[in-house]
Amino acid sequence: GPKVLQIPSHQIIDMGQMVTLNCDPVSNHLYFYWYKQILGQQMEFLVNFYNGKVMEKSKLFKDQFSVERPDGSYFTLKIQPTALEDSAVYFCASSSYRGNQAPLFGEGTRLSVL
Amino acid sequence: GQQVQQSPASLVLQEGENAELQCNFSTSLNSMQWFYQRPEGSLVSLFYNPSGTKQSGRLTSTTVIKERRSSLHISSSQITDSGTYLCAMGDNYAQGLTFGLGTRVSVFP
Repeated sequence: GPKVLQIPSHQIIDMGQMVTLNCDPVSNHLYFYWYKQILGQQMEFLVNFYNGKVMEKSKLFKDQFSVERPDGSYFTLKIQPTALEDSAVYFCASSSYRGNQAPLFGEGTRLSVL
Repeated sequence: GQQVQQSPASLVLQEGENAELQCNFSTSLNSMQWFYQRPEGSLVSLFYNPSGTKQSGRLTSTTVIKERRSSLHISSSQITDSGTYLCAMGDNYAQGLTFGLGTRVSVFP
């Protein structure tokens, strides 16, 4: 079946550097999401994106975060600059906005900020 | 805001035992999902079940909206069922989901 792919599965980066997490959503989906899960803690919503715009974001979506999907390619989450507390697993999801279809989640990208 | 409570927090089973996991939510919903999170962290979607009962193999999900609860039943547990089970709800599938803290299941021979 259709899948949401996240690339890479693990990324290690030095504090202060920029990182871009990539998500390849399901091709006919219209809504895109990022979630954050710190090790051992609750999965938390970061942001959703529709029609080229951020529709909703949580308080975890700091000013250092940005999302985009240029020309229908990857849906990306950029963090610039990174901080130690950004270490977490980031999950991407996409949805077709149909009443009987749930958002599909990727397997996550583990970000380690050193 | 929305709150999702899962119980129990952890569960230890002997292989072959059944288990019932609970999820209670504080507000009305249009979206309810159950996920299995592997020990290494990746997510597997189990059910999208905003109402009623759904079954897949040894797993059954039942959501009762007016009681604001959903359950996940595991029958004849296997060692490979070990991991964390998450429930998540949303008012609108176009918005973000609110997740519970999960139930950590450990199945031993």
